[in-house]
Amino acid sequence: KAGVTQTPRYLIKTRGQQVTLSCSPISGHRSVSWYQQTPGQGLQFLFEYFSETQRNKGNFPGRFSGRQFSNSRSEMNVSTLELGDSALYLCASSLGGGLGQPQHFGDGTRLSIL
Amino acid sequence: QQQVKQSPQSLIVQKGGISIINCAYENTAFDYFPWYQQFPGKGPALLIAIRPDVSEKKEGRFTISFNKSAKQFSLHIMDSQPGDSATYFCAASIGSSNTGKLIFGQGTTLQVKP
Repeated sequence: KAGVTQTPRYLIKTRGQQVTLSCSPISGHRSVSWYQQTPGQGLQFLFEYFSETQRNKGNFPGRFSGRQFSNSRSEMNVSTLELGDSALYLCASSLGGGLGQPQHFGDGTRLSIL
Repeated sequence: QQQVKQSPQSLIVQKGGISIINCAYENTAFDYFPWYQQFPGKGPALLIAIRPDVSEKKEGRFTISFNKSAKQFSLHIMDSQPGDSATYFCAASIGSSNTGKLIFGQGTTLQVKP
């Protein structure tokens, strides 16, 4: 079974630009969660989508948004990029049925802001 | 109250020794506690997880011990090997809430010396 696939693996952008990251979950998984990983703040929850609906959102500004498609694939968008947005962005998928379903992570997209 | 505190920040163990990483939480609503292992350039990989109705869970060389009254849980790696050298994260979530939000500890970098 293929794992979680994130594209692209690396991105370099400049301040003020916007970026879209993509995540394909494990087949059959309906929940996709996004996390930001930085050396200073660690792993922080951005948001979670289930059946094309955002179920939960972390404490990030509105510049961070996402969506999920009918095939469970998800995209994350960051607008008006800032230097502090440089991070590894990870997505995780799970069956999404609650009761602590295991989340499986992709290898992330490394975003660098110049 | 949403924090998960992890210690130590780094750990050096001799091959064959026992590695112990500890985590503590405040929110008594947490009911799902996974541990992840992350190698450089890779996403976190789920190692083992526990729910509070169990005090201990073992999978191979990895054991989670859970102390509900103390609100603490720990990961024990028996017979540690150089291949176990990685960063380990504990996490917690309210699994019964049906959302994918994981709260992570700050991580422990483990080095196993040959």
